[in-house]
Amino acid sequence: QKEVEQNSGPLSVPEGAIASLNCTYSDRGSQSFFWYRQYSGKSPELIMSIYSNGDKEDGRFTAQLNKASQYVSLLIRDSQPSDSATYLCAVNKDQAGTALIFGKGTTLSVSS
Amino acid sequence: EAQVTQNPRYLITVTGKKLTVTCSQNMNHEYMSWYRQDPGLGLRQIYYSMNVEVTDKGDVPEGYKVSRKEKRNFPLILESPSPNQTSLYFCASTTGTGSYEQYFGPGTRLTVT
Repeated sequence: QKEVEQNSGPLSVPEGAIASLNCTYSDRGSQSFFWYRQYSGKSPELIMSIYSNGDKEDGRFTAQLNKASQYVSLLIRDSQPSDSATYLCAVNKDQAGTALIFGKGTTLSVSS
Repeated sequence: EAQVTQNPRYLITVTGKKLTVTCSQNMNHEYMSWYRQDPGLGLRQIYYSMNVEVTDKGDVPEGYKVSRKEKRNFPLILESPSPNQTSLYFCASTTGTGSYEQYFGPGTRLTVT
């Protein structure tokens, strides 16, 4: 059974700080990795995708992937109260892209 | 606007009364999926479809049916709903051609009493 693990949190950071969210996955053959943001009662929103080792930056967000360690992280710089949400890590379930396997999410709280 | 739509958004029903939740996407995506989200269990895939008339079970298919007669639509059918199907349901779609990025509909909150 392929698994994606995240700390449930809550992770609390002050406004303007860097929030660091972590995720590990069990299937060494996984190729595609995603971070979704989900506000309470709303649908998951894709914020980052990463496919190769290293860092990928998009605005205040940086995704980091280390396939050898089976580890993917999301850094949020200059955190804002509007970043308060649950962040879901997801990994492709199979090569065909039929589904994603999601972690249970980390709740981030940014205080002003 | 590119989007995935679901209807209804909220539904309260009784045990055994058949219901259908509709899902439609306007992005010409080949792949569509249904997920349910429950506290402590996260998002779990119910069924998926790789193209018209091609569907397959996900991780938690029991008690659900789907159909894919048109590329844009992928309805979820509960023929005899039970209280353990009370959940938040999401439809998602992806191009399926080398991209695994899934885009989600707004969700349907279902309560079965």
